[in-house]
Amino acid sequence: SQTIHQWPATLVQPVGSPLSLECTVEGTSNPNLYWYRQAAGRGLQLLFYSVGIGQISSEVPQNLSASRPQDRQFILSSKKLLLSDSGFYLCAWSLGGETQYFGPGTRLLVL
Amino acid sequence: AQSVTQPDIHITVSEGASLELRCNYSYGATPYLFWYVQSPGQGLQLLLKYFSGDTLVQGIKGFEAEFKRSQSSFNLRKPSVHWSDAAEYFCAVGLPQGAQKLVFGQGTRLTINP
Repeated sequence: SQTIHQWPATLVQPVGSPLSLECTVEGTSNPNLYWYRQAAGRGLQLLFYSVGIGQISSEVPQNLSASRPQDRQFILSSKKLLLSDSGFYLCAWSLGGETQYFGPGTRLLVL
Repeated sequence: AQSVTQPDIHITVSEGASLELRCNYSYGATPYLFWYVQSPGQGLQLLLKYFSGDTLVQGIKGFEAEFKRSQSSFNLRKPSVHWSDAAEYFCAVGLPQGAQKLVFGQGTRLTINP
């Protein structure tokens, strides 16, 4: 069966520091991969999605970037964090553009 | 632009009572429709989905949802809630454009009274 991992689970970072969040999927090949952000008390906003290695589509202009160095690995990065980057970051995968399955999430607090 | 509205930010029901969570969407065609549940500090778990066919779909944990094209709605129901159903519920619309991006509603927080 397929599983999705995210780490770290929780992260506290100072403003201006870099960021790297990792997402990996097991048990499937060539998935579509997604990064969402959930701000406190709000719904989910799609940040990036990828349909293959090295293929990244950005949904919202922002301080973040994404990369997909391997088929089942999706990384969310920032060179300099802002206070507004705080939130709950969720990674998801799907096959063939159907149902998306979510990881456990990373809670990021920027101070 | 596509949008999803969950009119109720917070709902409180008594354990054993019935539940209905509302979801309305705006989309030019029949979209894919989903309900997810999120416990505090956790990821999202898929409850059920509608792609086509029978408009009443059954999901996990005793939940069901009905797609009503005329009302652009996909309401979630459960005949008798349990204390463990307390969570945040999200309705989502799938846009069948390549990678099928999801548009989420703002969520409904469900509280269960003992």
